[in-house]
Amino acid sequence: AQTVTQSQPEMSVQEAETVTLSCTYDTSENNYYLFWYKQPPSRQMILVIRQEAYKQQNATENRFSVNFQKAAKSFSLKISDSQLGDTAMYFCAFMEGPMEYGNKLVFGAGTILRVKS
Amino acid sequence: ETGVTQSPTHLIKTRGQQVTLRCSSQSGHNTVSWYQQALGQGPQFIFQYYREEENGRGNFPPRFSGLQFPNYSSELNVNALELDDSALYLCASSLHRTDEQYFGPGTRLTVT
Repeated sequence: AQTVTQSQPEMSVQEAETVTLSCTYDTSENNYYLFWYKQPPSRQMILVIRQEAYKQQNATENRFSVNFQKAAKSFSLKISDSQLGDTAMYFCAFMEGPMEYGNKLVFGAGTILRVKS
Repeated sequence: ETGVTQSPTHLIKTRGQQVTLRCSSQSGHNTVSWYQQALGQGPQFIFQYYREEENGRGNFPPRFSGLQFPNYSSELNVNALELDDSALYLCASSLHRTDEQYFGPGTRLTVT
């Protein structure tokens, strides 16, 4: 079974600085997808960024970028120019794919990020 | 474009009762997945529905059941509620089974 590990329960960063959240995963599959989701106190889970395992290029979405190391099974999220609105719980998630049955997301335990002014 | 919506927002039930949670998928999305998120933890997959058929199930007992309707909205039913069922229940829809999933705001269920 696939597992996702986020080893940092809590992180804090000063506004405008850069922070990196860590994620490792375990799978024997070669074809899969990785995601970072953000869950602010309002509890709405928001997709931040997506990475396909077959793509060597790291995904980027504005201030958010990933460092995908397939051999090491590592998928970290870098947030540049941190903003107060980035304060949230961040979840790393894995999806095996494509599959005919059971395309589930497997989530890590989450990292609470606090951005300080 | 309307996002994923869920109802109700909050719900309080007594142990042994039954509950139905509802989810409307994002426009054009034919796949709905349900997750249970206990306090302070990551979401756990309950099941997925694709074109009105169950398309995968996590490690949840049969008292957790679901439906998907022709308009792709969905229901999660839980019978014989237990205290441990207290959680945030999240619904997510996707354009296809393997696409990224977009989540609703969740239903907070408290079982007393």
